[in-house]
Amino acid sequence: KAGVTQTPRYLIKTRGQQVTLSCSPISGHRSVSWYQQTPGQGLQFLFEYFSETQRNKGNFPGRFSGRQFSNSRSEMNVSTLELGDSALYLCASSFGTPYTEAFFGQGTRLTVV
Amino acid sequence: SQQGEEDPQALSIQEGENATMNCSYKTSINNLQWYRQNSGRGLVHLILIRSNEREKHSGRLRVTLDTSKKSSSLLITASRAADTASYFCATGASSNFGNEKLTFGTGTRLTIIP
Repeated sequence: KAGVTQTPRYLIKTRGQQVTLSCSPISGHRSVSWYQQTPGQGLQFLFEYFSETQRNKGNFPGRFSGRQFSNSRSEMNVSTLELGDSALYLCASSFGTPYTEAFFGQGTRLTVV
Repeated sequence: SQQGEEDPQALSIQEGENATMNCSYKTSINNLQWYRQNSGRGLVHLILIRSNEREKHSGRLRVTLDTSKKSSSLLITASRAADTASYFCATGASSNFGNEKLTFGTGTRLTIIP
């Protein structure tokens, strides 16, 4: 079956703009989590959605937001982009229950100039 | 913030040798997972070990878990050039619903020399 699909793969934005990233989970998975990966901070958890509800949130400013649709697809939005938001953004899908694997997409490489 | 550390940060070995990476974590977990990442691309899931398991095998991979020491190790036997990648451990906290909030280690950069 198809894996986790993230679009777009690459994105270049200007400071102050906003951006929306999309993630389509594996069929049957109801949980979608988002992570930011940077050379300095490594992999950091942003938030997780399960059945359209945010269940958990990391320590990121309110400029980072997300949502999940009824078909489990998820989007994350970053407003008022800063240079420090340049990163690889990864989403992961799972069944959302203990002891089940989380599978990641290829990521969206965001560059803020 | 990162939950734990991986050791070593970088490892270079000859093809055919075994590679061992270690991971330490801080909080109580319900499972630990290992991932591989090639050159800034997505994470590939390798193996999951539950907190009540001590060892697990998958092909050339062997994972051990010691919850009393809050540590895990990943052994890759008979390494191949294609194993060159960064390896991360990730823990699912027992306080969470599931694996919705994984906490990652700092990663080990493995280089296999042909």
